[in-house]
Amino acid sequence: TQLLEQSPQFLSIQEGENLTVYCNSSSVFSSLQWYRQEPGEGPVLLVTVVTGGEVKKLKRLTFQFGDARKDSSLHITAAQPGDTGLYLCAGAGGSGGSNYKLTFGKGTLLTVNP
Amino acid sequence: SAVISQKPSRDICQRGTSLTIQCQVDSQVTMMFWYRQQPGQSLTLIATANQGSEATYESGFVIDKFPISRPNLTFSTLTVSNMSPEDSSIYLCSGIRQGVWTEAFFGQGTRLTVV
Repeated sequence: TQLLEQSPQFLSIQEGENLTVYCNSSSVFSSLQWYRQEPGEGPVLLVTVVTGGEVKKLKRLTFQFGDARKDSSLHITAAQPGDTGLYLCAGAGGSGGSNYKLTFGKGTLLTVNP
Repeated sequence: SAVISQKPSRDICQRGTSLTIQCQVDSQVTMMFWYRQQPGQSLTLIATANQGSEATYESGFVIDKFPISRPNLTFSTLTVSNMSPEDSSIYLCSGIRQGVWTEAFFGQGTRLTVV
């Protein structure tokens, strides 16, 4: 069974603070994706990382894929209340599985207080 | 981005009854999936909806409980049969575009409560 361990599970911070969410696995994935989900909505893709060691930036969000393609992190700089939501990491193609099958982490519920 | 619309958005059902959830995708989507999600929790893949044939179910999910149809490329239904309170969850339809395996699109979900 492929598992993606995501931490922390809950995070409540003040506006302007920085934070990092981690996603770790014992499996190697062909790609890893980060999604954000708001209440009553489906997850929305933020970024896909494919290459080991890859770093991608999306405004105040920085995503990193580990060299061994087993782990990833999401760093948010100067968090804003609009960043509030459930952040999910998902790995594709783990343990030689199909690239279209996603294994999701349990999610990090982020609350940014004004 | 691909458009996926799902309905109903929520429902409250009596135990022992069945509910069918519909998912309509635009023509960019070639593969369709159904997930289950406890509120604020992770997504679990139920099955891959195959066009014109039986769905491919993941471990722990069976056709008798979650029959799935996909009569054409852009439409699929998931039925939750003989419901019990344990089936209360959010059910999500998802799609992937041809050749873009690394980007999944999701419907807004169906929040099901079984009483």
